[in-house]
Amino acid sequence: DSGVTQTPKHLITATGQRVTLRCSPRSGDLSVYWYQQSLDQGLQFLIQYYNGEERAKGNILERFSAQQFPDLHSELNLSSLELGDSALYFCASSVWGLPSNEQFFGPGTRLTVL
Amino acid sequence: AQTVTQSQPEMSVQEAETVTLSCTYDTSESDYYLFWYKQPPSRQMILVIRQEAYKQQNATENRFSVNFQKAAKSFSLKISDSQLGDAAMYFCAYRSLFISNYQLIWGAGTKLIIKP
Repeated sequence: DSGVTQTPKHLITATGQRVTLRCSPRSGDLSVYWYQQSLDQGLQFLIQYYNGEERAKGNILERFSAQQFPDLHSELNLSSLELGDSALYFCASSVWGLPSNEQFFGPGTRLTVL
Repeated sequence: AQTVTQSQPEMSVQEAETVTLSCTYDTSESDYYLFWYKQPPSRQMILVIRQEAYKQQNATENRFSVNFQKAAKSFSLKISDSQLGDAAMYFCAYRSLFISNYQLIWGAGTKLIIKP
């Protein structure tokens, strides 16, 4: 158990809908990362937050947005969902968000868009 | 932009034998971090080993060791005395030291099968 929690574990929804994925980092970790893993592929970085502020952005679609709240939990919002958004979404956290800080991964949220 | 390539989609090894997974990367940076992550069927991402580019000594963690060839931009993972629990997807990842680029950049993964 990494100490990072993600809810829900599974999400099934229809095209055009909007969903929110939630992540609680490890106690004491200030930085949160979101990654997308499509079927049998490597992870794609979406976005990073540090202490409530956006720090880095990857190939995140405009239909996707995220935020980190004062209690440091983070939410990833996916809207106008398409079939291709079906994937495993990981949240990871680290202490300071520095390269030397290990990233601890949550169990992921499996999103299925029908 | 940095890229990470894993050219072996799948590898198999007999239990108790040794296997080496390959990874190459492309970067213009001189300092960075390299990682191997394991993803078992549970889908949890688990850090196996990491290497700082400025360190010449290859990292080792119990049965896991790396062969880091900086000039060749190669970072292979050797698993000794393979065990059934080692069966998983293995991902190689790169991390820049530049603040705007702290995210992990991932290879496509290698599926490791352990034959009993």
